[in-house]
Amino acid sequence: SQELEQSPQSLIVQEGKNLTINCTSSKTLYGLYWYKQKYGEGLIFLMMLQKGGEEKSHEKITAKLDEKKQQSSLHITASQPSHAGIYLCGAVRGYKLSFGAGTTVTVRA
Amino acid sequence: DVKVTQSSRYLVKRTGEKVFLECVQDMDHENMFWYRQDPGLGLRLIYFSYDVKMKEKGDIPEGYSVSREKKERFSLILESASTNQTSMYLCASTRRGDYGYTFGSGTRLTVV
Repeated sequence: SQELEQSPQSLIVQEGKNLTINCTSSKTLYGLYWYKQKYGEGLIFLMMLQKGGEEKSHEKITAKLDEKKQQSSLHITASQPSHAGIYLCGAVRGYKLSFGAGTTVTVRA
Repeated sequence: DVKVTQSSRYLVKRTGEKVFLECVQDMDHENMFWYRQDPGLGLRLIYFSYDVKMKEKGDIPEGYSVSREKKERFSLILESASTNQTSMYLCASTRRGDYGYTFGSGTRLTVV
């Protein structure tokens, strides 16, 4: 089973609408990384969260880490076709990152 | 522009063949990683290397080996390819202590 659970597994959103993806861990998160992957390509680093309650934003994407450091959310405001892809969360586990299964986002015009 | 380059985007190999997947980075990174990505399973770590000639097993090393003779190059070897190794293979690199990995574009391997 996945140590990092992402939900939903996939979602379809109308262009211009907001969406939220969640990433939940059974263990304390000492570093949580969000990546985006376009179909058939490599992963692009989006942002990193370390402190409980931390929130970061880049353009229309906001990521938060809860106070207990066991859950993170990624929120996209006013989605655009360029936001389509697979979003993955990764957690620091010793010397490496372990990843969730990913959330596939489809943006409909 | 910094880069991780994987030698092939698509490969088709026959069962039993020896397969080499090559990865080169131009950022002088110490750490390099090989992951495979399968639907519903996310990314799983096969092997990683934290220095030249050093390697460590990841979560699913069975059926794979690696080679790192130079700092910039990390090769993944499938000794005898099997159909269950059909997958997307992703290489990544990073500086020691940094987890903001830079990924290559991936190699989609099909074993028939």
